[in-house]
Amino acid sequence: EDQVTQSPEALRLQEGESSSLNCSYTVSGLRGLFWYRQDPGKGPEFLFTLYSAGEEKEKERLKATLTKKESFLHITAPKPEDSATYLCAVQADFNKFYFGSGTKLNVKP
Amino acid sequence: KAGVTQTPRYLIKTRGQQVTLSCSPISGHRSVSWYQQTPGQGLQFLFEYFSETQRNKGNFPGRFSGRQFSNSRSEMNVSTLELGDSALYLCASSLGSDTQYFGPGTRLTVL
Repeated sequence: EDQVTQSPEALRLQEGESSSLNCSYTVSGLRGLFWYRQDPGKGPEFLFTLYSAGEEKEKERLKATLTKKESFLHITAPKPEDSATYLCAVQADFNKFYFGSGTKLNVKP
Repeated sequence: KAGVTQTPRYLIKTRGQQVTLSCSPISGHRSVSWYQQTPGQGLQFLFEYFSETQRNKGNFPGRFSGRQFSNSRSEMNVSTLELGDSALYLCASSLGSDTQYFGPGTRLTVL
């Protein structure tokens, strides 16, 4: 069964304390893996697309990596404004998208 | 370039009523997908339209329907509303088979 699992469900960090979020997946025919950021009451904001194992993408304090079974979103020296829910999605065969349940990140000053 | 727009942003309905939500994709995007998001279930896929044809469908009852117009704008309709239909409804557009860009959502409350 195709599915996407994110961990942890919630993560509390002190400002400047680096960490990683995990997204593991089991899908048939991975076409792409996507990371989004979602603030409360708003639509998900696109962050990265990864297409193949070994690929990495960076944006400010965020870095996304991809292996054959999982993806990591590394957050370096986070700031309070990085607090949000981070969603992972996988695109499989026939253009089907599967979303994880998200990791709620809280960065304390 | 303007992003995905959804109207209305907020909606309050009572049980048994029907509702229509609208989505305008990013200019040039031909695929529009609809999702339901609730705190307990997360993001659940409703359906996807591409060039006016439904290309994919999730596991929702027939009360949920949609359509896409020739200008790629899409509408979603929910008939005979139930309390459990209260959710944030998100629309996402893409060129075809790649990155989806989301709108701000429509918050539907069913009383």
